[in-house]
Amino acid sequence: GAVVSQHPSWVICKSGTSVKIECRSLDFQATTMFWYRQFPKQSLMLMATSNEGSKATYEQGVEKDKFLINHASLTLSTLTVTSAHPEDSSFYICSALEWETQYFGPGTRLLVL
Amino acid sequence: AQTVTQSQPEMSVQEAETVTLSCTYDTSESNYYLFWYKQPPSRQMILVIRQEAYKQQNATENRFSVNFQKAAKSFSLKISDSQLGDTAMYFCAFMKKYSGNTGKLIFGQGTTLQVKP
Repeated sequence: GAVVSQHPSWVICKSGTSVKIECRSLDFQATTMFWYRQFPKQSLMLMATSNEGSKATYEQGVEKDKFLINHASLTLSTLTVTSAHPEDSSFYICSALEWETQYFGPGTRLLVL
Repeated sequence: AQTVTQSQPEMSVQEAETVTLSCTYDTSESNYYLFWYKQPPSRQMILVIRQEAYKQQNATENRFSVNFQKAAKSFSLKISDSQLGDTAMYFCAFMKKYSGNTGKLIFGQGTTLQVKP
C-alpha cells in the first residue's frame, strides 16, 4: 500500500511559538492531501484539504491564519500552527489521496505548554 | 449531506472468535466508496478494506470481510478468527466518487474493539 510519513511524531513547544508539521507521500505523488485533528477516543475532524499548487480549503470553524497549510510539491504538505496555545494541543494526522483512497501518516502529538 | 453512523461505541470479543461491527450511512449519491479503517493504540490509521458501491460482491481481505447492503445503506465489517492485534478503534467512512469528488472522507464515530485472550 501507499506510504505516508509525518514529521515530527512528537513536539512540545512553548505557548506563543510556531510549530511546523510535515507530511510526505513516500512512494506516490499526491495532488491532494488532508489535515485532521483528533481528540482522544474521538473520530477524526477534518481541518483542511491541501491541493498542490493552490490554496488550501479550510473547513468551517478552522482558523486559516492560525493553521497555515502549504502544499508546495506533489509529495509534501506542511501544517504550521502559528502562535500556538495550550488549547492547540492535540493529535494531528495527515493523509494523502491516491486512486480515490486516503492513506494516513502516523500522526503528530503536539503539546503546547 | 452524507452521514455515517456507528452505533456500537465499544465491543469485545474473545480471541479466535468472530465479531461484526455495524455501520450505516445516508446518502443520495449512487456512486461512492465505503471504507473501514483501523486505528490501533499506536494511533496509525490503517486501511482495512474498501468497497465500491457499484460492485455487488462484498470485499474481503484475509480475515476481514464486509456485508454491503446498498438498499439498506448498511456496511458491516466481520472479523474472523480475532487476534490480539485486532484490538483497535475501527472507523467506517464514506467517499463520493466521480464528478465533484474532493476525495473527502466522512467518518463515523468509531467503534473500540477489544480482543480478549
